[in-house]
Amino acid sequence: DAGVTQSPTHLIKTRGQQVTLRCSPKSGHDTVSWYQQALGQGPQFIFQYYEEEERQRGNFPDRFSGHQFPNYSSELNVNALLLGDSALYLCASSLGIGLLSGNTIYFGEGSWLTVV
Amino acid sequence: TQLLEQSPQFLSIQEGENLTVYCNSSSVFSSLQWYRQEPGEGPVLLVTVVTGGEVKKLKRLTFQFGDARKDSSLHITAAQPGDTGLYLCAGAYRSNTGKLIFGQGTTLQVKP
Repeated sequence: DAGVTQSPTHLIKTRGQQVTLRCSPKSGHDTVSWYQQALGQGPQFIFQYYEEEERQRGNFPDRFSGHQFPNYSSELNVNALLLGDSALYLCASSLGIGLLSGNTIYFGEGSWLTVV
Repeated sequence: TQLLEQSPQFLSIQEGENLTVYCNSSSVFSSLQWYRQEPGEGPVLLVTVVTGGEVKKLKRLTFQFGDARKDSSLHITAAQPGDTGLYLCAGAYRSNTGKLIFGQGTTLQVKP
């Protein structure tokens, strides 16, 4: 049973460029959330997708956008990259959008983005 | 704005020592989770606490949720080098949301 898989694992981009990160949720999961984790910090919630719609959004600018496909996989897009966007981007999957008893969130290993 | 304050941020101890990590907030959480993250990997869930005053044990790890559901602690007994890693607490304001608010993490190093 594959867990949450993310690609690419590492990438380097130049300021002003655009990047797309991809995530496949754990088998059986239908909800995907994205988090940004800067070096030495805890993850920060970007947004959550369920039934191909953005359900919740954190305090991130519109440069951050996403998409969920019918097979529940998801993409995170970041436009006009800034140096401050350098971070580990984590994808998390769960069954349903809530944290009801027994509903566990599983995280992928992340995509390391370096903006130069 | 960091809504969950973890302390200490860094902890370096010898094998066999005990330690406690604290997670504090002025907000009430529906549930609180503790994760452990190793370098190059995503966070892995250790425990979820949902009831004020709840205590859960996982081998040498003891987790407690404050009575008012605003704070939590993680106590490790007789730490081992394998316990080394980043420990994160994360709270959810509502049970019908998957949005987690993370603390900044506690980096634990256990020396043999």
